[in-house]
Amino acid sequence: ETGVTQTPRHLVMGMTNKKSLKCEQHLGHNAMYWYKQSAKKPLELMFVYNFKEQTENNSVPSRFSPECPNSSHLFLHLHTLQPEDSALYLCASSQGAQGAKEKLFFGSGTQLSVL
Amino acid sequence: QKEVEQNSGPLSVPEGAIASLNCTYSDRGSQSFFWYRQYSGKSPELIMSIYSNGDKEDGRFTAQLNKASQYVSLLIRDSQPSDSATYLCAVTSNSGYALNFGKGTSLLVTP
Repeated sequence: ETGVTQTPRHLVMGMTNKKSLKCEQHLGHNAMYWYKQSAKKPLELMFVYNFKEQTENNSVPSRFSPECPNSSHLFLHLHTLQPEDSALYLCASSQGAQGAKEKLFFGSGTQLSVL
Repeated sequence: QKEVEQNSGPLSVPEGAIASLNCTYSDRGSQSFFWYRQYSGKSPELIMSIYSNGDKEDGRFTAQLNKASQYVSLLIRDSQPSDSATYLCAVTSNSGYALNFGKGTSLLVTP
């Protein structure tokens, strides 16, 4: 509905598993973002990619590894996560030239549960 | 840590009333300010942006910005039950490439 699709919608994983979240935008945008949304906390920016280059890494633990092969696709690779990493992970995109002045289009998110 | 503060609510208003949502921010260098609406179980969607001091109106929504007081607000006139959602205030970071969000204010419009 928003032009930004995320898969999977739900993910349950153990602390020793390796999984990946996928995001694809069909809007012709040049910037893509990963945000984390936990209960009772503000949306937390994790990573920003502008024209495939990472422009911001908001002190995210190395167990989260982003990958941006092109301007339309963004991945978040997960390994050895902790239960406190359980949250809704939102991907977003924007046109890219004006950074955060621009409207963000969010995907529907991946609800992650770490057991 | 740059902070964006909002009252979590819930803010309850009757249908047809004006809902007033408030937000304060700590980074004096912020230049761009946004209000996102998030329905339960859905992703946020942008409803208003404001960049200069004063008021900006769009339909039933008015955003107000006071940079000296580091304060931004959202007024919703003629509130409807469909306006019931969480409203997120967002402010640009120093880098200009990211937004810092508040925790959101839950609004409930009662028929």
